[in-house]
Amino acid sequence: GESVGLHLPTLSVQEGDNSIINCAYSNSASDYFIWYKQESGKGPQFIIDIRSNMDKRQGQRVTVLLNKTVKHLSLQIAATQPGDSAVYFCAERVYNNNDMRFGAGTRLTVKP
Amino acid sequence: NAGVTQTPKFQVLKTGQSMTLQCAQDMNHNSMYWYRQDPGMGLRLIYYSASEGTTDKGEVPNGYNVSRLNKREFSLRLESAAPSQTSVYFCASSEMWARPGEQYFGPGTRLTVT
Repeated sequence: GESVGLHLPTLSVQEGDNSIINCAYSNSASDYFIWYKQESGKGPQFIIDIRSNMDKRQGQRVTVLLNKTVKHLSLQIAATQPGDSAVYFCAERVYNNNDMRFGAGTRLTVKP
Repeated sequence: NAGVTQTPKFQVLKTGQSMTLQCAQDMNHNSMYWYRQDPGMGLRLIYYSASEGTTDKGEVPNGYNVSRLNKREFSLRLESAAPSQTSVYFCASSEMWARPGEQYFGPGTRLTVT
């Protein structure tokens, strides 16, 4: 079946470098995508969202890029800090506003 | 402003026992959700409530029931627990029409069924 997935399960970066976390989706009907951050022992935290009529959206130190041609989503984190260490999930709206499907997650580790 | 609260934080059940997970939010959100998270997997939606008085099935509803008690509270019940229901359960809420993906999550309930 169609599902949200991730290219890499883990990512390790040096403090101060930029991080890029990737996500592939296969549901061509998806029109809304979200990135969440989950720190150890906590619930997920909303980071940024993007609708399918956009290809880029920026937040504070984060940018989400959407490539509908290849069904690819990425999250870029500028000047990565130790506090960015967490698992990052992408999610897509499949059927309605209440039904978001999440990927398995990428664990980001920031080395000092 | 506590956000989303969940009780209990941890629970161990024997197969066949029942229990109710409680969730409350103080953000006046219309929509509430229950997810489960298994190791190495993303969140999977069990049930949701788009507004007070309504509930709908998500991706994995079998073995669960829910009650939207009022606008603040949304409970999840396991009538006859099974080992396959061992998981971390998260409750979330959102103001759906404003920004549907911006869900606020509770700290989770870690459930083990033996």
